[in-house]
Amino acid sequence: VHLVQSGAELKKPGASVKVSCKTSGYIFTRNALHWVRQAPGQSLEWMGYINAANGNTKYSQRFQGRLTITMDTPANTAYMELSSLTSEDAAVYYCARDWSTGDWGQGTQVTVSS
Amino acid sequence: QSVLTQPPSASGTPGQRVTISCSGSTSNIGSKDVYWYQQLPGTAPKLLIYGNYQRPAGVPDRFSGSKSGTSASLAISGLRSEDEADYYCAAWDDSLSGRFVFGAGTKVTVL
Repeated sequence: VHLVQSGAELKKPGASVKVSCKTSGYIFTRNALHWVRQAPGQSLEWMGYINAANGNTKYSQRFQGRLTITMDTPANTAYMELSSLTSEDAAVYYCARDWSTGDWGQGTQVTVSS
Repeated sequence: QSVLTQPPSASGTPGQRVTISCSGSTSNIGSKDVYWYQQLPGTAPKLLIYGNYQRPAGVPDRFSGSKSGTSASLAISGLRSEDEADYYCAAWDDSLSGRFVFGAGTKVTVL
């Protein structure tokens, strides 16, 4: 199983960022994909997930209104888009397949700077 | 402030046993499975324990998890230098319409 994320992003405050998570090695529709972020020196923070079987999503209330998680089933890929970025959104963003699998992407560094 | 409370640090000498606690509530640990992760600098978290005490394939049996009431623990026996890392507990939480929460992390130092 592999989860490969898109590369580092540099964004201006107020912009949006979209990170991809391309999966392989398992049947994409059998698991949920979660998004987790980690600010420098901080703990892990769960953002939300998408159920790849039906496209249903659940978001942390902390990100309601500016987080969108989508998927492209034929491409076995999930996407995380976060809008209205501020400096507090600077972090490494991870995708992770159902928690009990232990499968995580390598992380994507998002920098927010004017 | 994290919903799950962990000590910020723990330490031991090679060969010793180190235990990390994770305190929660009835809305998370008390009613949900606990997960434990190890994170080395600059890398993604690695799953050590799921379902409170189950180890994924490839995780040494030096790592063990337990849960009692609203608290959980991760024990590392036969401490090795490569165990020096950050450790996080995690669980689903019923509050705020349901969310997955992580502890603040415990830095384990091998003296």
